[in-house]
Amino acid sequence: DQQVKQNSPSLSVQEGRISILNCDYTNSMFDYFLWYKKYPAEGPTFLISISSIKDKNEDGRFTVFLNKSAKHLSLHIVPSQPGDSAVYFCAASVISKAAGNKLTFGGGTRVLVKP
Amino acid sequence: KAGVTQTPRYLIKTRGQQVTLSCSPISGHRSVSWYQQTPGQGLQFLFEYFSETQRNKGNFPGRFSGRQFSNSRSEMNVSTLELGDSALYLCATGGGNTGELFFGEGSRLTVL
Repeated sequence: DQQVKQNSPSLSVQEGRISILNCDYTNSMFDYFLWYKKYPAEGPTFLISISSIKDKNEDGRFTVFLNKSAKHLSLHIVPSQPGDSAVYFCAASVISKAAGNKLTFGGGTRVLVKP
Repeated sequence: KAGVTQTPRYLIKTRGQQVTLSCSPISGHRSVSWYQQTPGQGLQFLFEYFSETQRNKGNFPGRFSGRQFSNSRSEMNVSTLELGDSALYLCATGGGNTGELFFGEGSRLTVL
C-alpha cells in the first residue's frame, strides 16, 4: 500500500524556468509533508515542509502547496538552476508518540535542469 | 555541530553472509531511524530506536535487526544476505514537531 506517490519519475526543465513536482497521498492522518533533495551516493537533505493545517509555505526559491481535499501537494522551484538537478522525494509524517519519527516517502522524481 | 555519521560507506558481501552497519547520530539526538533505498522500492522505513528501545518497525523480514546503545549510537544487522539486500542504507536522526529528519550519507551494500 503506497501511501505517498510521485507519479512523475523524471522532469526536464530549462534553466530559469519553473520546476513543478507533484505528490499524492492517501493517509489523511499525515500531519506534516516534507520535500527532500538527494544527490547520488549522498543522504537526502531537507528542503522545505508544510503543516497539514496550512496550504502554502515559501522559502526562497522553493514553495510548497498543499491541497488537503485533493490529498495533493506540489513543490515549485523558481527559477530553476543547474545545481537543482537531483532526485526529489516527497515525504509525510504522523506526529505522535506511537508513530515516532517515521517518514513515508514517495518514489522520487529525477529533475534535470538544462543550462 | 557534527552531522550523522555512518560507517562503513561502501562494502561488498556475498550471499549468506551477515553485515553490521553503524550510525552515530547528531549530538544530543536520541532517536535513530534506518531506511533502505533501492532503485525499485525507493526509500523504505526499516526501524526506529529511541533511548535504546525499538519504537517503530517497518515491513522487513526478521533478518533485519538493529539496536541502540546508551550513547545513542545505533547498529543495524542483516543476516543471511540475499542479492536483493543490495541497497543504500540510510540512518537518520531528528523528528520533533515536524518530523524533519537529518540523514547520513549512507552505507552502500553490494551483495554478490
